[in-house]
Parts: sequence; C-alpha cells; structure tokens
Amino acid sequence: EPEVTQTPSHQVTQMGQEVILRCVPISNHLYFYWYRQILGQKVEFLVSFYNNEISEKSEIFDDQFSVERPDGSNFTLKIRSTKLEDSAMYFCASSEGTGVTYEQYFGPGTRLTVT
Amino acid sequence: ILNVEQSPQSLHVQEGDSTNFTCSFPSSNFYALHWYRWETAKSPEALFVMTLNGDEKKKGRISATLNTKEGYSYLYIKGSQPEDSATYLCARDTGRRALTFGSGTRLQVQP
Repeated sequence: EPEVTQTPSHQVTQMGQEVILRCVPISNHLYFYWYRQILGQKVEFLVSFYNNEISEKSEIFDDQFSVERPDGSNFTLKIRSTKLEDSAMYFCASSEGTGVTYEQYFGPGTRLTVT
Repeated sequence: ILNVEQSPQSLHVQEGDSTNFTCSFPSSNFYALHWYRWETAKSPEALFVMTLNGDEKKKGRISATLNTKEGYSYLYIKGSQPEDSATYLCARDTGRRALTFGSGTRLQVQP
C-alpha cells in the first residue's frame, strides 16, 4: 500500500542552524501538508501546498519557514534559523484531491530536537 | 465550544468490551471531520472523513457518527481487542483543508 515517507526520523541540531526535513508524498497525490506536534500539545497545522504554491499557512509558519517541491517526488520543509521552541515532531501529509472529503495521509514524522 | 475537544483523555478497557469516545467541535464553518488512529512510533492512520449531518461510517468493528448542528462526533469500537490500543484523534476542517486537531483519546485494551 502506498505511504508517505519522511527522512530523517530524528534530527538534532543546534540553535540558529538551518534544517531541511524531507518528505515523499504518495505519488498521485496533489495536495501536501506539514503539521507539527510539540511534546504534550495538540497536532498543529503549519502549511498546505498545491500546484507548486502555498495554499494556506498558519500563524506559526513565519518567515523562518519555507516549503518546496524541488522535483516530482520530494516535498521539503526548511527552517532557516532554528529556535529551541521549534523542537517538535514534524509530520508531512498528502491527499489525492482538492476537496474536503479527501483523507490526508500522514507520514511517520521527523522528531526535531534543537539544542 | 471554541476548539476541538476530545473526551475522555484516556480509557482502559478489557478485551471484548465495547467502548466509545467523543469529539466536540465548533459547529460554525464546518466542512468535514476526520478521525485518525495513531499507534506509537507509527503514522496516524486515516479512519473516516465525515461531512454530512447524521453521517454514519463503519470500518470493521469501528464506527462513527456525526452531528454537525450540535458539534459532536462519536467513535465506537465494538468488542475491543488489544490491537485497538492506540490514540484516536479527531480533526475539524473548515474548508481550508487545514485540520484542527483535538488532544486525542488514548485507549488501552487489556487482554
């Protein structure tokens, strides 16, 4: 069964460093998302991406964050200058269509630890 | 209700018990409600997407109902098995496909 994959599973970085989290969405999917979960808190929406541009973004997704689909398969989240509060589990998701009835399929997450 | 809320926070049942939990959400600007099953160290697994008031969905022993007018959804598990142990998340979509999640209900099924 097709699945969303994410690499790495765990990333440790120092405050102020740039990190890139990578995702391979399901191949025929059109809509891509990033969410995150800070330890002990709810899963939060960051950004959605469709047709090579950002469709929606939350207040969390400020200028420190960017997303890109560099080729036909990868979808990346870049954090330019990491802060301690960026430590969280980051989830990538994808959906087949653009309607609200489509399920969003999640990857297993990348645990980002900022020291 | 301003946010998506789930209750109870956790639940311990015996194998064979049937159980249910609740997701409450703001009834305004409602487009869809998603249910996910999330086992530790795995990807959240999509269970249902529900859009219409009165909707009922079923997958094996798991079923869900939706009341959009009063802003709640119930998830039922019939005859719980140890492999049902997981966190069950609900999430609301206001049409922007940016899901707003609840805190989840953590289910533990004892053999």
